[in-house]
Amino acid sequence: LAKTTQPISMDSYEGQEVNITCSHNNIATNDYITWYQQFPSQGPRFIIQGYKTKVTNEVASLFIPADRKSSTLSLPRVSLSDTAVYYCLVGDRSARSGGYNKLIFGAGTRLAVHP
Amino acid sequence: KAGVTQTPRYLIKTRGQQVTLSCSPISGHRSVSWYQQTPGQGLQFLFEYFSETQRNKGNFPGRFSGRQFSNSRSEMNVSTLELGDSALYLCASSLEPSSGNQPQHFGDGTRLSIL
Repeated sequence: LAKTTQPISMDSYEGQEVNITCSHNNIATNDYITWYQQFPSQGPRFIIQGYKTKVTNEVASLFIPADRKSSTLSLPRVSLSDTAVYYCLVGDRSARSGGYNKLIFGAGTRLAVHP
Repeated sequence: KAGVTQTPRYLIKTRGQQVTLSCSPISGHRSVSWYQQTPGQGLQFLFEYFSETQRNKGNFPGRFSGRQFSNSRSEMNVSTLELGDSALYLCASSLEPSSGNQPQHFGDGTRLSIL
């Protein structure tokens, strides 16, 4: 199973860059790395997804080293509204299920942004 | 484009009752997955449906069941409710079966409280 490990919590201040690192030592060759954001009483929201090197979109960047055993979500200039739980996921590809996966969520990282 | 819609948003039941939750995926999405979220266990995968067939199942008792209709809408049912079933039930949809490479889009969930 491609289990992920993230810090339980992080604190930051408005305007700072936040980097959240996720470890996934057993990532499979074809697996992608996906990050979600969740606010209280809402469903997780897709942030970014990548396979290797670097991916950037309008809200975040994702850095993946060559060995792909970890990844770092980078949030530039965070604001109070970025206070949320961030989940790192790696697809679990099971041969028994015919290649279909079930997403395994870890505990996530609780990010608190302070004024 | 409308997002994933879950109904009802809130539900209160008593022990021993049964409940049916509904999920309408994003238009064009054919895969629907269900998750249970509790403070103690976090986000846990329940099952996934694609083309009206259950493709994957998590480690939940048989009291938890689901189905998918030809229009991709899905329902999940929990029978003989227990206090521990109190949770936020989330539905997610994607174009194809969740492969870890297909971002899933979540609804805001149904908050089920068991008295």
